[in-house]
Amino acid sequence: GQNIDQPTEMTATEGAIVQINCTYQTSGFNGLFWYQQHAGEAPTFLSYNVLDGLEEKGRFSSFLSRSKGYSYLLLKELQMKDSASYLCAVNSNYGQNFVFGPGTRLSVLP
Amino acid sequence: EAGVAQSPRYKIIEKRQSVAFWCNPISGHATLYWYQQILGQGPKLLIQFQNNGVVDDSQLPKDRFSAERLKGVDSTLKIQPAKLEDSAVYLCASSLRQGVNTGELFFGEGSRLTVL
Repeated sequence: GQNIDQPTEMTATEGAIVQINCTYQTSGFNGLFWYQQHAGEAPTFLSYNVLDGLEEKGRFSSFLSRSKGYSYLLLKELQMKDSASYLCAVNSNYGQNFVFGPGTRLSVLP
Repeated sequence: EAGVAQSPRYKIIEKRQSVAFWCNPISGHATLYWYQQILGQGPKLLIQFQNNGVVDDSQLPKDRFSAERLKGVDSTLKIQPAKLEDSAVYLCASSLRQGVNTGELFFGEGSRLTVL
């Protein structure tokens, strides 16, 4: 089966840096995605990693270690609008399956 | 480019009634997904279509849920009869391809179901 784990909640201060971790167990790994979901809205795509290493996109970066089944999303210069749930999703079984983790609810405080 | 369209946005029904949700994916997207998202949880896959064929429906409660994508374009998800625990947001998503180059999923705004 597949298992994806993330912390349930995190809190950080405006302007700070926060790292949201994701661990997974899967077969036929075909990439890891991070999505942002504001309350009452649909998830929107943030980043994609298929090879080991760091992908940087503005204030957001995502890291992947396939051997460890581990990823993190790094958010820099936090803004109030970053308060949302962050979903880790794994594309597995050689692209057949797209499974989401439970999500991490991030609260950014002034 | 138009996004994934879903309707209705909101639906309130009583338990044991039936409900249907509709989804029209992004034009040209071969793969369509229906997810159930209960408040405070991540989306849970109900069914995945590749064109008009079912790829994965292992988590679909088939005694009450059904879904179809007859012409390989739009899709409907039906619940009959509904239970209280079916209260959730039903998200439809599509992707251009399946397999090694799946790419990201694009989501619709969701259909929020409340069962009383």
